[in-house]
Amino acid sequence: GAVVSQHPSWVICKSGTSVKIECRSLDFQATTMFWYRQFPKQSLMLMATSNEGSKATYEQGVEKDKFLINHASLTLSTLTVTSAHPEDSSFYICSARDGGRPEAFFGQGTRLTVV
Amino acid sequence: SQQGEEDPQALSIQEGENATMNCSYKTSINNLQWYRQNSGRGLVHLILIRSNEREKHSGRLRVTLDTSKKSSSLLITASRAADTASYFCATGISNAGKSTFGDGTTLTVKP
Repeated sequence: GAVVSQHPSWVICKSGTSVKIECRSLDFQATTMFWYRQFPKQSLMLMATSNEGSKATYEQGVEKDKFLINHASLTLSTLTVTSAHPEDSSFYICSARDGGRPEAFFGQGTRLTVV
Repeated sequence: SQQGEEDPQALSIQEGENATMNCSYKTSINNLQWYRQNSGRGLVHLILIRSNEREKHSGRLRVTLDTSKKSSSLLITASRAADTASYFCATGISNAGKSTFGDGTTLTVKP
């Protein structure tokens, strides 16, 4: 149990376009989902926390209008990188928490390359 | 600053040897998880240890947690070349599920 799936696993897009990344909990209802970003050879940094049916809470320094997060259902959260620039190229990972357990489980990650 | 800090930053050993990585953190935690990440890939969950536990085993993995010292260790016994990866500890500081990652230890196991 506790499987989290991310899609796509990698994506290449042109500067100025928008990219949507999906995070799904496959076998549990995720009351809370988290989005992380990882630069090459660095650790994961939390970007935002999303709770189903409410607005996401963004960490300091993360642009809300650039990284749109929607958590419309208990099994799906999406991260949309708007007007992508090359500096947005990174590895994005989501995690999801089953309300009955304190720990969260991670997706496989999405590698975004903006050219 | 990051909640968790792994030590050492890099570790190189021969196949068959044991590898020990340490993680220190600053605030009280609810749980601590260890993850492996192969180069350019996603995270693989290895083991979770809760704040009321002191030691857990999973195959060749052994994790200890010392809440008084705010530290955890991951021991990989009889290492294999396939264990080559970066290892991260992630601390859960509440029941909310949010994790804070350390900088990771890069392990290289030479065949």
